[in-house]
Amino acid sequence: AQKITQTQPGMFVQEKEAVTLDCTYDTSDQSYGLFWYKQPSSGEMIFLIYQGSYDEQNATEGRYSLNFQKARKSANLVISASQLGDSAMYFCAMRPYTGANSKLTFGKGITLSVRP
Amino acid sequence: EAQVTQNPRYLITVTGKKLTVTCSQNMNHEYMSWYRQDPGLGLRQIYYSMNVEVTDKGDVPEGYKVSRKEKRNFPLILESPSPNQTSLYFCASSLQGNYEQYFGPGTRLTVT
Repeated sequence: AQKITQTQPGMFVQEKEAVTLDCTYDTSDQSYGLFWYKQPSSGEMIFLIYQGSYDEQNATEGRYSLNFQKARKSANLVISASQLGDSAMYFCAMRPYTGANSKLTFGKGITLSVRP
Repeated sequence: EAQVTQNPRYLITVTGKKLTVTCSQNMNHEYMSWYRQDPGLGLRQIYYSMNVEVTDKGDVPEGYKVSRKEKRNFPLILESPSPNQTSLYFCASSLQGNYEQYFGPGTRLTVT
């Protein structure tokens, strides 16, 4: 079974500064993917970034980067140069690449508020 | 435009009145799934489908049914809704083995 832990309370960041959202995971699978999704107040789930367990380099997508530390089982999201539109809930998720079900296991989410 | 659509987006209903939430994708994806989102719990999988006529239970299937008669459609059926099924529901799809799952816009269901 997989488990995702996001324990930070609501996070606040000043506009234009960087912020790190923490995510730790637990799995017995050797091959898996890690994901971050953004959910603004409008409710849709927006895919941000992906990291494969065998990827040696940390994933980056524009202002988003994933700080992947496999031995520590952590996959923190770093948002650089925060913008007001980054205010949202952020979910860390993972799925194993073994088995038939491509189920995503989600953490409980972190609320990020960007201050002007 | 590649997308997953859900209908209705908002629904208020009463206990026991059967309802169906439709989900459709236009990307020829084999894999489709339903999740529900509740405050403090994140998203949890209800049912999934690997392909036409192939469905299986996720983590919280009680009170729900699904069917997959066509590749593009994966409706979620609540035969006798109860207030504890009040939630935000998401349909998602992906290619088999592909890492990205595409989510629909969500359906906010209230059962009184």
